Amino acid sequence: DAKTTQPPSMDCAEGRAANLPCNHSTISGNEYVYWYRQIHSQGPQYIIHGLKNNETNEMASLIITEDRKSSTLILPHATLRDTAVYYCIVRVNNAGNMLTFGGGTRLMVKP
Amino acid sequence: DADVTQTPRNRITKTGKRIMLECSQTKGHDRMYWYRQDPGLGLRLIYYSFDVKDINKGEISDGYSVSRQAQAKFSLSLESAIPNQTALYFCATSGVNRLSGNEQFFGPGTRLTVL
Repeated sequence: DAKTTQPPSMDCAEGRAANLPCNHSTISGNEYVYWYRQIHSQGPQYIIHGLKNNETNEMASLIITEDRKSSTLILPHATLRDTAVYYCIVRVNNAGNMLTFGGGTRLMVKP
Repeated sequence: DADVTQTPRNRITKTGKRIMLECSQTKGHDRMYWYRQDPGLGLRLIYYSFDVKDINKGEISDGYSVSRQAQAKFSLSLESAIPNQTALYFCATSGVNRLSGNEQFFGPGTRLTVL
């Protein structure tokens, strides 16, 4: 699986959009970008994933650059409950489902 | 996620003791995983199982063993616990879907302390 690089921490004001970047410059053509988050020692929670098209669901939007070397997770209206560590993971779909977690980005949403 | 349960939620044990962590799921998934998380770090895979007869070592399997008793149950054992196995342990499950993602669903975690 390709490695990812994320900033260790970010702050965001409550109600504003949180934009979390991820670099994955060595991504292969068949690798997907997944995002998970972990709220204070709880089990990680799946957020969204994509291959090359932008994706949106009820939780977030995922923007993948055209060259697929980086992506951005967008939480459109961050709330205090979105404070968590966000993990960007790049992997081949159906490759045993194994996830390799890096350090992630610790997002702090402030009032 | 209530569909994946772990017992116990917290456990304190002594060096050299055998301990078992249990995981059950009601999602009907074939694939189950055990991860550990150390403070400030991401999760690391210990063992995984794609079905009842399939067991595979992960990144850090030394000192651990597992048992897949049924599709819904996957247990992690520490045969002789040592202090550096003090960590937060997560069980996870996933299904198989060719067309979409194979997201994993995690249990609430077991906090294990080895004295």
